Amino acid sequence: LAKTTQPISMDSYEGQEVNITCSHNNIATNDYITWYQQFPSQGPRFIIQGYKTKVTNEVASLFIPADRKSSTLSLPRVSLSDTAVYYCLVGDPWEAAGNKLTFGGGTRVLVKP
Amino acid sequence: GAVVSQHPSRVICKSGTSVKIECRSLDFQATTMFWYRQFPKQSLMLMATSNEGSKATYEQGVEKDKFLINHASLTLSTLTVTSAHPEDSSFYICSARGVREDEKLLFGSGTQLSVL
Repeated sequence: LAKTTQPISMDSYEGQEVNITCSHNNIATNDYITWYQQFPSQGPRFIIQGYKTKVTNEVASLFIPADRKSSTLSLPRVSLSDTAVYYCLVGDPWEAAGNKLTFGGGTRVLVKP
Repeated sequence: GAVVSQHPSRVICKSGTSVKIECRSLDFQATTMFWYRQFPKQSLMLMATSNEGSKATYEQGVEKDKFLINHASLTLSTLTVTSAHPEDSSFYICSARGVREDEKLLFGSGTQLSVL
């Protein structure tokens, strides 16, 4: 299972764009990159998942360079309610072992007024 | 839509008692479920993988006799913390994924266990 490295924390202000980069140098060919958001005393919530290039949904974008050794989660125009811990996970979702996603330290994002 | 339901959300018990936590997959079947533990301001730590109809697989350092896991159906897995002690106080979270290839891993809302 690929190990991930993320910044421990980031501060931002309301309305700004927040970009969180995750390093996963040992990513395997079949691995996907998935980001989760977690609020205190709640289970993680799926944000976005991708394999290569760029993926966008209603809440975020995920940028993955050609070598796939890193990825960047982009949160546009954050609000106070986006204050949370964001986890980057790497694994093969279609393999039983890949389902056993291992969490790294996560990035604690604080959005200020 | 697909949801992982976890109960109870919070439990307080006396030292030495056993506590059962339920994890249900709603609107989908999950042959595999996962149990995590999370201490304050720390990341989630995988405890065990629960397989329907077979024994759970525990991560290194997790006592299988302490944390009993039962996955009797495709929609229900239970974690029982036996003879709980204050050091077992933690936030426990389950997760599951459906059988379709495009389904993502979903997490329950978590159970805060406090052992007095």
